[in-house]
Amino acid sequence: GQNIDQPTEMTATEGAIVQINCTYQTSGFNGLFWYQQHAGEAPTFLSYNVLDGLEEKGRFSSFLSRSKGYSYLLLKELQMKDSASYLCAVKSGSARQLTFGSGTQLTVLP
Amino acid sequence: DTAVSQTPKYLVTQMGNDKSIKCEQNLGHDTMYWYKQDSKKFLKIMFSYNNKELIINETVPNRFSPKSPDKAHLNLHINSLELGDSAVYFCASSPRTVGSGANVLTFGAGSRLTVL
Repeated sequence: GQNIDQPTEMTATEGAIVQINCTYQTSGFNGLFWYQQHAGEAPTFLSYNVLDGLEEKGRFSSFLSRSKGYSYLLLKELQMKDSASYLCAVKSGSARQLTFGSGTQLTVLP
Repeated sequence: DTAVSQTPKYLVTQMGNDKSIKCEQNLGHDTMYWYKQDSKKFLKIMFSYNNKELIINETVPNRFSPKSPDKAHLNLHINSLELGDSAVYFCASSPRTVGSGANVLTFGAGSRLTVL
């Protein structure tokens, strides 16, 4: 089976940088995704990592270390609209679907 | 608009009733999914169809029955509703069955089911 852990809640200040961690255990790792979900809305795709290293996309970056079963999502220059739940999801070769973590609720304060 | 659309957005019903949620995507994707998100925000796969063929059927009660009349539609029918079925149900689609590469899911807006 798969096990995905991420913090339940985080709080940060507008303009700051925040790092949301995700650790996972899986067999046949085949990629890691980050999704953003605002309250009452659908999850939307943020980033994808399959090789070790950092993927940068504007204010958001995602890092992966396959040997450590670890990823993080880095959000820079935080804005109020970044307040949302951030879902880590792992794809494994043995399971033909994404398995999601329970999400990290980020609150950005003024 | 290209999207995944699901109806109804809200559904309130009594225990024991039967209800359906419909989903349609006009993205030309081959694969469609149903996910359930409970009160703790945990998003869990229920079913997946690829070109109208069932490929994933997680451990859900057989009161839940998906139907895919064509690859653009995946409906979810629930019989004999129970209190524990209260959740938000998300339909999603992706270009192909999850395999190599960034097979990104596009989600519908969700259908909030409340069983009284």
